[in-house]
Amino acid sequence: EVQLVESGGILVQPGGSLRLSCVASGFTFSNYAMNWVRQAPGKGLEWISYINSGGSAIDYADSVKGRFAMSRDNAKDSLYLQMNNLRADDTAVYYCARVYKQGIPAADFWGQGTPVTVSS
Amino acid sequence: YELTQPPSVSVSPGQTARITCSGDVLPQKLAFWYQQKSGRAPVLIIYEDNKRPSGIPERFSGSSSGTTVTLTISGAQVDDEADYYCFSTDISGLGVFGTGTQVTV
Repeated sequence: EVQLVESGGILVQPGGSLRLSCVASGFTFSNYAMNWVRQAPGKGLEWISYINSGGSAIDYADSVKGRFAMSRDNAKDSLYLQMNNLRADDTAVYYCARVYKQGIPAADFWGQGTPVTVSS
Repeated sequence: YELTQPPSVSVSPGQTARITCSGDVLPQKLAFWYQQKSGRAPVLIIYEDNKRPSGIPERFSGSSSGTTVTLTISGAQVDDEADYYCFSTDISGLGVFGTGTQVTV
């Protein structure tokens, strides 16, 4: 069974930093590209980043480019999102999601999400 | 780049619901559909415009015509009440979700 478990979401002050983690199981993690997607309270889904299976190609949405950094450790079946210079509008549930086919950032399985609140 | 969906669609049980998603680049890119029930993670229900993942009921189908893709729920059930999002990519290959549609059965 495919499982993705996110962690690291907390309350953080504006301007602060946070690192989210996602541990994968039930599939060969190193064979799959991955996404981070977020959802602000009461709002729709927002794709924010993609990383290919080897970690050599990473894309970001304009809303997070230059502030967020996505990475992965295939030896640990883990995905990360380093978030810097956080703003109130970064408040959201953050999902990691497995990409169904490398090169097309569409997800086929999602974790349950971890909530991030940016507030003073 | 935006993918535009109607905010809400209402359908009676057993009837057909159609949810549209419009975007200028859709003729060149594949479309996907997700169902999200309240408080839950999204679930992929249609991929590559019109394919159903295993375990997704046959009443869900997808189609594409020009700049619009459509999710059809044939014989809608109360259990289909959820938010539905289309997904595709912009001309650069970056991901984009539609604005979302709340379906009431």
